[in-house]
Amino acid sequence: QKEVEQNSGPLSVPEGAIASLNCTYSDRGSQSFFWYRQYSGKSPELIMSIYSNGDKEDGRFTAQLNKASQYVSLLIRDSQPSDSATYLCAAGDGVDTGRRALTFGSGTRLQVQP
Amino acid sequence: EAGVTQFPSHSVIEKGQTVTLRCDPISGHDNLYWYRRVMGKEIKFLLHFVKESKQDESGMPNNRFLAERTGGTYSTLKVQPAELEDSGVYFCASSSLGGYYGYTFGSGTRLTVV
Repeated sequence: QKEVEQNSGPLSVPEGAIASLNCTYSDRGSQSFFWYRQYSGKSPELIMSIYSNGDKEDGRFTAQLNKASQYVSLLIRDSQPSDSATYLCAAGDGVDTGRRALTFGSGTRLQVQP
Repeated sequence: EAGVTQFPSHSVIEKGQTVTLRCDPISGHDNLYWYRRVMGKEIKFLLHFVKESKQDESGMPNNRFLAERTGGTYSTLKVQPAELEDSGVYFCASSSLGGYYGYTFGSGTRLTVV
């Protein structure tokens, strides 16, 4: 059974600090990885996707992927109170499989303290 | 662009009753997905439509769940008869590029079976 593991938190960081969120996945066949942000009672919102080993930066967000270690992380620089939310890590298959189901972790709750 | 719309936003039904959830994807999105999150668990995949065809229904828990997508537009998810363990939040999502690059979620339907 495919699994994605995340620490449930809460992860508490002061405003302006770097928040580091991590997840591991069990299926070595996973080729696509996503970070979704979910505010309480709202829909998950896609914030980052990554498909190759290394870093991918988008504004204050950096996603990191290490397929050998089956490890994905999300760094949020200059954290703001508005970043306080639950962050969901998800893994999917490669583009050639045709299968688009994602396996989600249970999420890490981030609290940014003003 | 209008987002993914789901209704009702909340539904409370008695065990044994029938409930139908509806999802309107983003216009032009051929791919539509259903997921659900039961209490304390991670978001789990139910099924994937490409237009009106079921591409992947490997996550459907049992034959009490029936999903349809007539005409390749909106989709319905019927639970009949509902059981207590069906309580949770049912999310719909859609994508235009097969979902490999992630997809857009609706705000969900919170189903409570009493």
